[in-house]
Amino acid sequence: SAVISQKPSRDICQRGTSLTIQCQVDSQVTMMFWYRQQPGQSLTLIATANQGSEATYESGFVIDKFPISRPNLTFSTLTVSNMSPEDSSIYLCSVVLGTEAFFGQGTRLTVV
Amino acid sequence: GDSVTQMEGPVTLSEEAFLTINCTYTATGYPSLFWYVQYPGEGLQLLLKATKADDKGSNKGFEATYRKETTSFHLEKGSVQVSDSAVYFCALKSSAGSYQLTFGKGTKLSVIP
Repeated sequence: SAVISQKPSRDICQRGTSLTIQCQVDSQVTMMFWYRQQPGQSLTLIATANQGSEATYESGFVIDKFPISRPNLTFSTLTVSNMSPEDSSIYLCSVVLGTEAFFGQGTRLTVV
Repeated sequence: GDSVTQMEGPVTLSEEAFLTINCTYTATGYPSLFWYVQYPGEGLQLLLKATKADDKGSNKGFEATYRKETTSFHLEKGSVQVSDSAVYFCALKSSAGSYQLTFGKGTKLSVIP
């Protein structure tokens, strides 16, 4: 199994600012995934982050808005840039070990 | 593309009641199917999974059977407990590509004593 520590667990931010979310895993993993869970909606994949290469973004998500770093096999960050109230969501990181996906506890972001 | 349709919530049940949360999917090929649970303040945890048609996943008294003919993976439990109160997500992984999951919207279950 994998233990994922995600920080911060929640934050309230002013519009126009940026927030960086950190994800630390207790195992070395090739792929890390970032999801967004908007209020009352399902989880939507934002991007896949592989160590040593650029993140791969899903349709509707761009690097300028959601830059991702993946400096090593146990850590990744997601930045939500130039925030607006529409960015208020829960953001989750996820890793795969074997055939099972594990998730962090999520970051609940509120933009005011 | 792939999609998962899940029973709308919230669902409120009395303790020891029978639970069914419906889940149907649209996908090409033979996806793997999952149920995840999210307890208050925690991350998603895998509850059970099934990787091929007619497989039954089970864990903690919960069961779900992979029905390809009806493209369904309904979650059931014979007798729910207060501790089962959580949000339940149905998800699928495509038979091709990397390990990306497509999720349903989630169903919030509240069990009252």
